[in-house]
Amino acid sequence: GQSLEQPSEVTAVEGAIVQINCTYQTSGFYGLSWYQQHDGGAPTFLSYNALDGLEETGRFSSFLSRSDSYGYLLLQELQMKDSASYFCAVKRDNYGQNFVFGPGTRLSVLP
Amino acid sequence: KAGVTQTPRYLIKTRGQQVTLSCSPISGHRSVSWYQQTPGQGLQFLFEYFSETQRNKGNFPGRFSGRQFSNSRSEMNVSTLELGDSALYLCASSFGQVAFFGQGTRLTVV
Repeated sequence: GQSLEQPSEVTAVEGAIVQINCTYQTSGFYGLSWYQQHDGGAPTFLSYNALDGLEETGRFSSFLSRSDSYGYLLLQELQMKDSASYFCAVKRDNYGQNFVFGPGTRLSVLP
Repeated sequence: KAGVTQTPRYLIKTRGQQVTLSCSPISGHRSVSWYQQTPGQGLQFLFEYFSETQRNKGNFPGRFSGRQFSNSRSEMNVSTLELGDSALYLCASSFGQVAFFGQGTRLTVV
């Protein structure tokens, strides 16, 4: 089967650092992506890891360990606007746009 | 570049009816995918079209179908609507490893 697991909710205060974990079990793995979705909005791309290690993009970093079927999204210097749902997604084939998404993590940033 | 455009944004239909949703991808993107988003099931992959051909298909019944035109615009159709089809339907076009999503069509079946 195809399954991804994420915590359902995370709460943190402005300026803090938060890590959102994702474990996956899928047939076919060609990379792990992270998307952000604000209420009423469309998912927007944050990062993509095809190989093991850390990718850094501004305040956001993403990590992948293929041997552990595990990845995480790290958000630093949290801002109120970071309050949103975050989804990890596994790309299941090399040529297509065939993603399986995790259930999402609702991040609440408190003042 | 304009983003992914989905029409209509909101739709109310009655059980048993059919519905057609439209998606215009970002110019130059040839891959278009459709997802269903519900609070209980999350984001679920419906199907993907590339160069007018269905390239991948998720685990949805045959009532869900789609097509893609030569200009890469795509439509999805749901026939014999059920209450459980109420959801946000998202279209995404891709370039490389990134999927760009539209704002979605909120379908309510009553």
